[in-house]
Amino acid sequence: KAGVTQTPRYLIKTRGQQVTLSCSPISGHRSVSWYQQTPGQGLQFLFEYFSETQRNKGNFPGRFSGRQFSNSRSEMNVSTLELGDSALYLCASSPANTDTQYFGPGTRLTVL
Amino acid sequence: AQSVTQPDIHITVSEGASLELRCNYSYGATPYLFWYVQSPGQGLQLLLKYFSGDTLVQGIKGFEAEFKRSQSSFNLRKPSVHWSDAAEYFCAVAPDSWGKLQFGAGTQVVVTP
Repeated sequence: KAGVTQTPRYLIKTRGQQVTLSCSPISGHRSVSWYQQTPGQGLQFLFEYFSETQRNKGNFPGRFSGRQFSNSRSEMNVSTLELGDSALYLCASSPANTDTQYFGPGTRLTVL
Repeated sequence: AQSVTQPDIHITVSEGASLELRCNYSYGATPYLFWYVQSPGQGLQLLLKYFSGDTLVQGIKGFEAEFKRSQSSFNLRKPSVHWSDAAEYFCAVAPDSWGKLQFGAGTQVVVTP
């Protein structure tokens, strides 16, 4: 099976812009979770989607949003980018109702 | 507060020597426990997991971990490290919500010849 794929792999934006990141889960996986990884804060949970519904959300401002499509693919959006949003954004997928998550390679976002 | 602690930020080990990485958690009940490894510029790869049952868990790449309820620990071990084991290792727990993992701060492992 193909693994979790994330596009794009690298992205450079300027402050105030918005960005959309995409994640395609492993075939058959219905849960998609998103994480932000920074040197200062480590790995932090953003949100999780299952069957197009957000089931869980971390402590991030409303500028961070996401969605999931009927084919389980997911996107996350960050509006009004700030310098502190520079990070590696990781997507993970898991089969229905298990906690074993399989991660993609991540999208490296740089905000200038 | 619920937490995951990896006491060692950085460990240097000689190739062929044994490795042990520590992980302690603080939760009301025993959560699901995981170890992941991350190579530079890469995502996280699952090494092993513990849900219940046998407290000694075998994983990929020759790693194993032992769950000790009395110590709230889930330490990762490898008898003989290879240069390719140089990476950052993360302990994670799935406390009580679907799809949410809480990670420790990570331990950077350097392997010397």
